[in-house]
Amino acid sequence: KQEVTQIPAALSVPEGENLVLNCSFTDSAIYNLQWFRQDPGKGLTSLLLIQSSQREQTSGRLNASLDKSSGRSTLYIAASQPGDSATYLCASGGNAGNMLTFGGGTRLMVKP
Amino acid sequence: KAGVTQTPRYLIKTRGQQVTLSCSPISGHRSVSWYQQTPGQGLQFLFEYFSETQRNKGNFPGRFSGRQFSNSRSEMNVSTLELGDSALYLCASSVGWGRTEAFFGQGTRLTVV
Repeated sequence: KQEVTQIPAALSVPEGENLVLNCSFTDSAIYNLQWFRQDPGKGLTSLLLIQSSQREQTSGRLNASLDKSSGRSTLYIAASQPGDSATYLCASGGNAGNMLTFGGGTRLMVKP
Repeated sequence: KAGVTQTPRYLIKTRGQQVTLSCSPISGHRSVSWYQQTPGQGLQFLFEYFSETQRNKGNFPGRFSGRQFSNSRSEMNVSTLELGDSALYLCASSVGWGRTEAFFGQGTRLTVV
């Protein structure tokens, strides 16, 4: 059974700092890994999707990497802004359709 | 292009009642998945429908059921509500079956009293 872990559970940084969020998974036989953002009481916003054949994906100030052999993915946020404050979730997709297994999330606060 | 629409946004129900939640996927998307989010358990997979057939089911009791219609819209039903069913229920839409990006709706906040 796939287990996804995100450490730390919470992170507070000053504005402008570059930061890395970590995601680890126990079963390396994943088909893809997706990063989401969730604002309080809201739904999930898809940030980046990395297929198993890819090593990284980039969108604006965000860069996500995937290392299946070590069971890890990282989300790099450059030049953080207060508007980046949210909970970031990673989720692995396996061979069962579109079912995703989620980590517990990292709650990020960027202070002005 | 409209996103994933979930209705209603908020619900308050009494223990023992039943509830139906609705999800309209992005136009052209044929897969709909449902998740339950609670502070204690995080996001947990309920089930997935593709082409009107349930393809996957999570580890939830039979009180949780769903269906998908020919226009890909999906409904989720919870019978005999318990206090522990209070949660944010999220619906995700994907274009195809497997390996495709999931897009989530804003969720339905269910409170059972």
